[in-house]
Amino acid sequence: EVQLVESGGGLVKPGGSLRLSCAASGFTFSLYGMNWVRQAPGKGLEWVSSSSSSSSYKYYADSVRGRFTISRDNAKNSLYLQMNSLRGEDTAVYYCARDLQDTLTGYQPPYLQHWGQGTLITVSS
Amino acid sequence: EIVLTQSPATLSLSPGERATLSCRASQSVSTYLAWYQQKPGQAPRLLIYDASNRAPGLPARFSGSGSGTDFTLTISSPEPEDSAVYYCQQRSDWPSITFGQGTRLEIK
Repeated sequence: EVQLVESGGGLVKPGGSLRLSCAASGFTFSLYGMNWVRQAPGKGLEWVSSSSSSSSYKYYADSVRGRFTISRDNAKNSLYLQMNSLRGEDTAVYYCARDLQDTLTGYQPPYLQHWGQGTLITVSS
Repeated sequence: EIVLTQSPATLSLSPGERATLSCRASQSVSTYLAWYQQKPGQAPRLLIYDASNRAPGLPARFSGSGSGTDFTLTISSPEPEDSAVYYCQQRSDWPSITFGQGTRLEIK
């Protein structure tokens, strides 16, 4: 069974930093692109960042580019999101999500088949 | 950026009454469109990808159609458990993906 478990959320002051982690199990982590998607309280879904399976390609939403960094450790089956210069508008539940398709036939833009339960980030003074 | 507009915002139906949810793209996304279901307090669930392909394990009452700019998610005979918010998502405009604002479906 595919499992994705996020951790690292909490309350942080504007301008502060936080690092999210996502522990993956139940599949061959090194074969799949991984993603972060967020959802502000009572709002819709917003794509944040994606990483190809080997970390060769990393992509970011304009709203976080230059402030957030996605990374992964395939040996530890883990995905990370380093968030710096946090703002109030970054307040959201952050989900880790796995691509639908593996990368054996090449990396493709994601559809998000498996999701974690999410971790809440609150940016407030 | 490709904007996805979903309609209606809210849909209230009785069990068994066909549900038709719409997603319109601001420019063509070919068939690179997915649908997700999100119930309160839960993560989203992938339902449909590439406009009409059902995700593994999805009940047959869910189907997707469309191409270009106009897409439809149909639930042929909804059950109360299908009450949720439904989102469409495009991957045509990579390296950016966008979601629609959601349609709330109430079955009661």
